[in-house]
Amino acid sequence: AQKVTQAQTEISVVEKEDVTLDCVYETRDTTYYLFWYKQPPSGELVFLIRRNSFDEQNEISGRYSWNFQKSTSSFNFTITASQVVDSAVYFCALSEARVNKLVFGAGTILRVKS
Amino acid sequence: DAGVIQSPRHEVTEMGQEVTLRCKPISGHNSLFWYRQTMMRGLELLIYFNNNVPIDDSGMPEDRFSAKMPNASFSTLKIQPSEPRDSAVYFCASTPSPLLNTEAFFGQGTRLTVV
Repeated sequence: AQKVTQAQTEISVVEKEDVTLDCVYETRDTTYYLFWYKQPPSGELVFLIRRNSFDEQNEISGRYSWNFQKSTSSFNFTITASQVVDSAVYFCALSEARVNKLVFGAGTILRVKS
Repeated sequence: DAGVIQSPRHEVTEMGQEVTLRCKPISGHNSLFWYRQTMMRGLELLIYFNNNVPIDDSGMPEDRFSAKMPNASFSTLKIQPSEPRDSAVYFCASTPSPLLNTEAFFGQGTRLTVV
């Protein structure tokens, strides 16, 4: 069975601080896909990144970066120099190969204060 | 493209009433998903379709829930009769292909309140 654990229920930081959101996953598949989604206060789910299990290269996109480590089954997300607009709920998700259904973690509430 | 379109955005209904949620996926997308978000259970998959055919409905909570996809551009999720515990945000999502594991594009969601 697949499972995604986001142990941090809520994180509060002050603007300009760096923050890392943790994600640990479980799967028996050798091929799988990992995702991060953002849910701002308005409620929609916004796609941030997709990573397949064979690509362990870290990725950076502006202030966002992702650290995928298969050895620890983790796919952590770091926001550098956080901003108030980053305040949202962030979800990590997992899907198995050839089946697009997502298994979501419980989400981490990020509050960035000015 | 307008993205995934869900209607209504908000629905308030009385217990026992029938509720129908609607979804129009992105044109050309072949897979459609219905998710439910609650405080207690988080985001969970209810059912998904590939090429209008239901593939996995194991997440549908009980027989009061049913979903249809009569054509490639429309799907419904029906609850009959509704109960207060069905109150949640229901999201519809679509992806281009069942084989590519691309990201899912989500609609804005329907916030359902059953009183």
